[in-house]
Amino acid sequence: AQTVTQSQPEMSVQEAETVTLSCTYDTSESDYYLFWYKQPPSRQMILVIRQEAYKQQNATENRFSVNFQKAAKSFSLKISDSQLGDAAMYFCAYSSTGANSKLTFGKGITLSVRP
Amino acid sequence: EADIYQTPRYLVIGTGKKITLECSQTMGHDKMYWYQQDPGMELHLIHYSYGVNSTEKGDLSSESTVSRIRTEHFPLTLESARPSHTSQYLCASSALSGYQETQYFGPGTRLLVL
Repeated sequence: AQTVTQSQPEMSVQEAETVTLSCTYDTSESDYYLFWYKQPPSRQMILVIRQEAYKQQNATENRFSVNFQKAAKSFSLKISDSQLGDAAMYFCAYSSTGANSKLTFGKGITLSVRP
Repeated sequence: EADIYQTPRYLVIGTGKKITLECSQTMGHDKMYWYQQDPGMELHLIHYSYGVNSTEKGDLSSESTVSRIRTEHFPLTLESARPSHTSQYLCASSALSGYQETQYFGPGTRLLVL
C-alpha cells in the first residue's frame, strides 16, 4: 500500500520570504500522480499543483513549484514570495494511475505567514 | 473553483437523529468520494463511487451509508447520529476518464452531534 508522510506538523514563514514544505511517499509503482492541496481555515480545499511521475520536469504554478525527486520518493512544495493568503493547511497526496485510483493523503502541515 | 456543492454547511443535531448530508456536482464526473476530517487533521476516505449504482467503503470504517442513483448526486446518511460522528465531512469528485485526474472538493459539512 502507498503511504504519504509529512513529518513537519507546522511551519512559519515571514511574508515575502520563501518556504519549502516536505513530503515523502512510498510506492512500488513506476507511474503515478502527486498533488499538493491547500485548505485555508474554514474554506474549501483547492488544488495547488500536480506532478505526473513520468515527467522529469518539476511542475510550476506561479509562486508555487515542486522539487520532485523520483528516486528518493520526495515531493516538496516551494512557495516563493509568501503572502498572508498562503496561510493554510497543506496536504501532500498520491494517486496511482488507472480507473480505480484513489488519493492517499499525508497528515498535512499547517503553514502560518508572519506579517 | 469547481462546481461541487454540499449542504448543509453546518449542522447541530441531537443524538439518535437521522441525518443526510447532500453532495452534488455539475461537472459530469463519474467518481465521487466522501472524506471525514477532524479539525486540523488528515482526511480519511469513508466512501467512494465510480458511477451510478456503484458504491464502496473507504479506508476508514464508518457507520454512514451512501447511495448513487444519479451521476451528479452522492448523499451520505447517518441513521442514528452519535457524538462520535462529530466531524467535518468533505465530498469530492473526479473524472473517470482522462489521463490527468484531479479530485475537486466541496466546501464541507461541519457536523456537531450533541
